[in-house]
Amino acid sequence: AQKVTQAQTEISVVEKEDVTLDCVYETRDTTYYLFWYKQPPSGELVFLIRRNSFDEQNEISGRYSWNFQKSTSSFNFTITASQVVDSAVYFCALTRTSTGANNLFFGTGTRLTVIP
Amino acid sequence: KAGVTQTPRYLIKTRGQQVTLSCSPISGHRSVSWYQQTPGQGLQFLFEYFSETQRNKGNFPGRFSGRQFSNSRSEMNVSTLELGDSALYLCASSSGQVEGYTFGSGTRLTVV
Repeated sequence: AQKVTQAQTEISVVEKEDVTLDCVYETRDTTYYLFWYKQPPSGELVFLIRRNSFDEQNEISGRYSWNFQKSTSSFNFTITASQVVDSAVYFCALTRTSTGANNLFFGTGTRLTVIP
Repeated sequence: KAGVTQTPRYLIKTRGQQVTLSCSPISGHRSVSWYQQTPGQGLQFLFEYFSETQRNKGNFPGRFSGRQFSNSRSEMNVSTLELGDSALYLCASSSGQVEGYTFGSGTRLTVV
């Protein structure tokens, strides 16, 4: 069974602080994909990153970075120098690699509030 | 490139009624998935359609159904609405491979 745990329900930071959102997953599959999505108040889920289970390289995209560690089944997301526009709910998700079984299993999300 | 379009944006229905929600995927995408988001249960998978065939189904009662047309547009239907069906319904479009899912803005359904 697939499971994603985001233990942090809500986080508040002051603008320009760094913040890390935690994601721990469970799966018996050897091949799988992990995602992070951002959900602003408008409701749309905005795709941030996809990582497959064979690629443990960390990734940096501007102020965003992701740390994938298979040994601890974690896929954490760090925002550097946070901005008010980063305020949103962030979801970590998992899917197995299988033709026709491409549904996402989501964590419960972390609500990030960046205070100006 | 147009994104995923969901209509209507908001909907208010009465218990016992039925409702149909629509999703137009990104041009060229043949896979459409539906998710229900509620404060209590979070984001849950409803079903996925690919080339007009339901490929995968989540754990929802038979009152929830869907279909996909030849142009890849999809509809989901909920019959005999219950108060607990109040939720944000999100549609996701993809090319059918695990490369990423593009979500629409959702339809917020309120059942009174």
